[in-house]
Formats: sequence, structure tokens, C-alpha cells
Amino acid sequence: DAKTTQPPSMDCAEGRAANLPCNHSTISGNEYVYWYRQIHSQGPQYIIHGLKNNETNEMASLIITEDRKSSTLILPHATLRDTAVYYCIVRVGYLRAAGNKLTFGGGTRVLVKP
Amino acid sequence: NAGVTQTPKFRVLKTGQSMTLLCAQDMNHEYMYWYRQDPGMGLRLIHYSVGEGTTAKGEVPDGYNVSRLKKQNFLLGLESAAPSQTSVYFCASTLGHEQYFGPGTRLTVT
Repeated sequence: DAKTTQPPSMDCAEGRAANLPCNHSTISGNEYVYWYRQIHSQGPQYIIHGLKNNETNEMASLIITEDRKSSTLILPHATLRDTAVYYCIVRVGYLRAAGNKLTFGGGTRVLVKP
Repeated sequence: NAGVTQTPKFRVLKTGQSMTLLCAQDMNHEYMYWYRQDPGMGLRLIHYSVGEGTTAKGEVPDGYNVSRLKKQNFLLGLESAAPSQTSVYFCASTLGHEQYFGPGTRLTVT
């Protein structure tokens, strides 16, 4: 699986959009980009995933560059409850032989401030 | 629908003692996973299972054993606990792209 690079931490203002970058310059054509977050002491929570098209759900939007070497997770209106560690993970999609495993890096610690 | 549950939530062991952590899911997922998370670090995969009766090693399997006798349950065993196994243990399950995680078990080995 391709490695990812994320900033260790970032702050954002409550009510504003939070833009979380992720670099995955060695991504392969069959690898997806996944985002999870972990609120303090809880189990990680799935946010969104994408292959090459931009994706949006009720939680966030995922913007993937055309060359797929980087992506941005957008939380459109950050709230205090969005304070968490956000993990960007690149992995081959649903593939039984690969076990659908996730490899977590250090993530980005996001602090939403009032 | 309870999702993924873990038992127990907390446990303190003495070095050399054994214990089993239980993970249960009610979503009929094929795949199940055990991770550990040390303070300030990301999760690391211990063992995983792609179906009932099958298990495989992850990134940090030493000192742990697992069993998947029933599709809904995935057990993690520590035969002889060591202080280095002090950690928070998370179980997860999936059927496709999204992994669902349990609330974690906080284990301290003294």
C-alpha cells in the first residue's frame, strides 16, 4: 500500500471549513484514498473514500487531484465535536486476498477552536 | 443493531497472567481485525480474519493468538502478558470499504 504524508497538527475556527491535506505521491492505479477520524479515546470512525472522482457525503467532501498524488478532506462547517485525529489511508480497494487491511500512520491532530 | 462490541472495557493484569478479549459483531461481516494503539501513536494491526475458521498475522502478532470459531466473534488471547502489551485494543469488522470499530479495551499489565 502507498504511504501517506499528513501535517501533524492544525487548528481551525468553529463554523469555518477545515481543509485537511494528504500527500500520496506513490499511489497506484487500483488504490483508494480512505479517511478515518478518531475522537479522543474512541474507536476510529470511517468518514469517506474515493478512487479518482471527488466524493461527498453527509460528513465531508473528498477532493482528489487529477494525478491522484494528493487529496484534501473538507469538513464544510467545523464544530467543536470535529476535534479529532484524522487519518488518510491509501489501500487497494475491496480485495479478499489482501484482507482489506488498513495501515494507520500518525494522522493530523485537528483542534477546532470556538 | 449493536455494531461492534468489545469485552471487557478495562482490565489490569500481572505479568505472566493470561486473558482473552472478546469482539462481537452483529452485522454479518466476513472480515474482522484486532489492532493495538499505544499512547500518541496510530493503530497497528495484530491479527485479522477473512472468514470463519481463518486467521492471519498482521503487523505486530508476537505474543498474541486469535480464533474465529463463529462468524460473529473474534477472540484475542494473551497467553503470558508482558508490560509491553499495555495498550488500548480495538476490534473492527468490515464487509467492504468501511471498517466499523469497537469502543476499545484498555489493558494494563503491571
